[in-house]
Amino acid sequence: EPEVTQTPSHQVTQMGQEVILRCVPISNHLYFYWYRQILGQKVEFLVSFYNNEISEKSEIFDDQFSVERPDGSNFTLKIRSTKLEDSAMYFCASSEGTANTGELFFGEGSRLTVL
Amino acid sequence: GNSVTQMEGPVTLSEEAFLTINCTYTATGYPSLFWYVQYPGEGLQLLLKATKADDKGSNKGFEATYRKETTSFHLEKGSVQVSDSAVYFCALRPRGTGYSTLTFGKGTMLLVSP
Repeated sequence: EPEVTQTPSHQVTQMGQEVILRCVPISNHLYFYWYRQILGQKVEFLVSFYNNEISEKSEIFDDQFSVERPDGSNFTLKIRSTKLEDSAMYFCASSEGTANTGELFFGEGSRLTVL
Repeated sequence: GNSVTQMEGPVTLSEEAFLTINCTYTATGYPSLFWYVQYPGEGLQLLLKATKADDKGSNKGFEATYRKETTSFHLEKGSVQVSDSAVYFCALRPRGTGYSTLTFGKGTMLLVSP
């Protein structure tokens, strides 16, 4: 069964460093998403991406965040200068159908620890 | 704004016990409602969904009914198994063009012992 894959599963970094989290969405999907979950808190929407551009973003997704689809398969989330409060589990998701009706398929998550 | 509130966990049950995990929501209009499950070491998986009032979503013995009058979508299962141990997330998605995002609750951990 096709699945969304994410790497790395866990990354530890120093505050101020740049981090890139990678995702390979399901191959025929058109919509891509990043969510995050800070420990003990809700899963929060960060950004959605369609047709090579951001379609929606939350207030969390500020200038230190960026997303890219550098080739036909990968979808990346870059955090330019990490802060302690960026420590969280980051989930990538993709959907096939229209943004409003397509089921979201999630990856296993990448745990980011900022020291 | 949109929000989802679910009961605090962990919920600890013995095998074959009845499960209820409460979920209530706040949203404008009539959102679609979802339950996602995260098994240890895995990603979030869609468990069931309901798209309009009085719809009942069901899967793997789990059920939830969209109750507009109480703005609730409680998850139930008549007889839980050890393999149901996981974190369960209630979520909503607003209806309408461009509303692609899910709003999640905090998640409720379920621990089922033999």
